[in-house]
Amino acid sequence: AQTVTQSQPEMSVQEAETVTLSCTYDTSESDYYLFWYKQPPSRQMILVIRQEAYKQQNATENRFSVNFQKAAKSFSLKISDSQLGDAAMYFCAYRRESGNTPLVFGKGTRLSVIA
Amino acid sequence: DTEVTQTPKHLVMGMTNKKSLKCEQHMGHRAMYWYKQKAKKPPELMFVYSYEKLSINESVPSRFSPECPNSSLLNLHLHALQPEDSALYLCASSQVRGGGSLQETQYFGPGTRLLVL
Repeated sequence: AQTVTQSQPEMSVQEAETVTLSCTYDTSESDYYLFWYKQPPSRQMILVIRQEAYKQQNATENRFSVNFQKAAKSFSLKISDSQLGDAAMYFCAYRRESGNTPLVFGKGTRLSVIA
Repeated sequence: DTEVTQTPKHLVMGMTNKKSLKCEQHMGHRAMYWYKQKAKKPPELMFVYSYEKLSINESVPSRFSPECPNSSLLNLHLHALQPEDSALYLCASSQVRGGGSLQETQYFGPGTRLLVL
C-alpha cells in the first residue's frame, strides 16, 4: 500500500523568507502523480502544485516550487518570499497513474508565517 | 473556472434529524467525491461517483447516503447521525479519462462544517 509521510507537524517562517516543507512517499509504482494542497483556516483545500512522476523537471507555480527526487521518493515544497496568506495546513498527496485509486494524503504540516 | 460549491456552509443537527449536503460543479467533470475531515487530520475518502454511478464506497455507515442526480450535482443525505460524525465534509470533482479511469487532479469545494448534537 502506498503511504505518504510528512515528518514536520509544524513549521514557521518569517515573512519574505523561504521555507521548505518535506514529504516522502512509498510506492512500488513507476507512474504516479504527486500534489501539494493548501488548507487555510477557511478550510478549503486548494491545489498548490502537481508533479507527474515521468517528468524530470521540477514543477513550479509562481513562488511555489518542488524538489522531486524520484529515486529517493522525496517531494518537498519550497515557498519563496513567504506571505502572511501562505499560513495554512499543507498536505502532500499521492495518486498512482492508473485505475480508480483514491488520493493518499500525508498528515499535514501546519505553516505559520511571522510578520 | 475551477469552482466547486457546497451548501450549506454550516449545519447543526440532532441525532434524529434528516438533512442533506449539496455539492455542485460546472467544470464538466464526470467524477465527484465526498470526503470527511476531522480537525487537524487529512481528508478521508467516503464515496466516489463516476458518470453518475457509485464506483467507490469506503465502507461508510449507512446513515450516510450519497446521491448523484446528474453530472453536476452530488448530494449526501444524513440520517440518525452520531456526535462523532461531526466534521468538515468536503466535496471534490475531477475529470474522467477515456477508458474510465479517474483523472488525477481533484478540485475541492469549501466544505460543510457539520455539528451533530
